[in-house]
Amino acid sequence: DAGVIQSPRHEVTEMGQEVTLRCKPISGHDYLFWYRQTMMRGLELLIYFNNNVPIDDSGMPEDRFSAKMPNASFSTLKIQPSEPRDSAVYFCASSFPTGTRGKDTEAFFGQGTRLTVV
Amino acid sequence: AQRVTQPEKLLSVFKGAPVELKCNYSYSGSPELFWYVQYSRQRLQLLLRHISRESIKGFTADLNKGETSFHLKKPFAQEEDSAMYYCALRGGTGNQFYFGTGTSLTVIP
Repeated sequence: DAGVIQSPRHEVTEMGQEVTLRCKPISGHDYLFWYRQTMMRGLELLIYFNNNVPIDDSGMPEDRFSAKMPNASFSTLKIQPSEPRDSAVYFCASSFPTGTRGKDTEAFFGQGTRLTVV
Repeated sequence: AQRVTQPEKLLSVFKGAPVELKCNYSYSGSPELFWYVQYSRQRLQLLLRHISRESIKGFTADLNKGETSFHLKKPFAQEEDSAMYYCALRGGTGNQFYFGTGTSLTVIP
């Protein structure tokens, strides 16, 4: 498997524009996580899914942020409208459930999307 | 509530010196604990998981349930160890990961 794949790797956009970040998890993983990383706040969990169903979105900053997982192999994180304070690196990660027999249950991270909103 | 604490935001050591990155956790059950490493502008990568009791790149971490700690240690630091290190716990009904705030390690040549 190629690992967790995120696109784009870099995104520069103007304030007010819609931004869509994409993630392809590792095949077979039941869990998908979206994180945001900044110098000030470190690594923050935004939302996570289990079997394509959102489980906890309490970390989503505000209504401008939304995430979907239409199928087991694809998820999107959308920001509309974007603001300069949304500038950060956004990571997607996937994993098996804890206690899965014979499987490593750590989170596998993608390379991240570096978002700059000007 | 589940929580992971990394008390040191920054840590500097000289090359060849021992290094210890501290991690304490709070969890009522039996957690899964991990250490991740993030080199400059790269993805987080798994370094160690407590159930494996392994040594990776000379690093070890022992789970101490009495002290609820999972400190990361290496006897002789190398320059290439300079990176950000995150301690993480997985548990709870939601099966999610709880990450510490990270420790930035700098190894001085």
